[in-house]
Amino acid sequence: EAQVTQNPRYLITVTGKKLTVTCSQNMNHEYMSWYRQDPGLGLRQIYYSMNVEVTDKGDVPEGYKVSRKEKRNFPLILESPSPNQTSLYFCASSHPGLQGDEQFFGPGTRLTVL
Amino acid sequence: AQKITQTQPGMFVQEKEAVTLDCTYDTSDPSYGLFWYKQPSSGEMIFLIYQGSYDQQNATEGRYSLNFQKARKSANLVISASQLGDSAMYFCAMREGQLGNQFYFGTGTSLTVIP
Repeated sequence: EAQVTQNPRYLITVTGKKLTVTCSQNMNHEYMSWYRQDPGLGLRQIYYSMNVEVTDKGDVPEGYKVSRKEKRNFPLILESPSPNQTSLYFCASSHPGLQGDEQFFGPGTRLTVL
Repeated sequence: AQKITQTQPGMFVQEKEAVTLDCTYDTSDPSYGLFWYKQPSSGEMIFLIYQGSYDQQNATEGRYSLNFQKARKSANLVISASQLGDSAMYFCAMREGQLGNQFYFGTGTSLTVIP
């Protein structure tokens, strides 16, 4: 089954404790992205990647890191989480040139930073 | 300036009626894509419909159609024959450039279908 998986789905952590949210897709997509969703603000792109070893900042990259060492994986790293990073996070993938460049979204990761 | 504007935080529609969800966008790039996604209360993001900036005809997918007015920079979603299962958040999004991967989303419209 074609899908984007994220782990963990739910996470409660404390300020300053480094964490990684994993994202993996099995569709051989070149493009991947991370978003955060906050009430009243919609989805905002954190980082995106257009290929292995190619990443770019989105609208809200502060406090986040990403890496793209393999095509299928695109982990999101919070080196020192803070309460304002409490949010719902989505990973997405797509393939350029396919009709619509439709993004396939993962199920989301709900992060709470205390 | 906001790249994507959705001015209707909440909308109500009677079952079986049609409803239009508004979306305006701002870009100076001649090549862009416009998307609509649905997010039910369960949280997943579901792709509904896509319109390319060079597409001559309005996109349609089943009960969904996109009313694309390029000069007005609007990309409204029309849902015909609303169903109870259409109750959800709806997000308009834009990708700038022919093959870019930078996306901008609106703040969403919460649609409630009344039986």
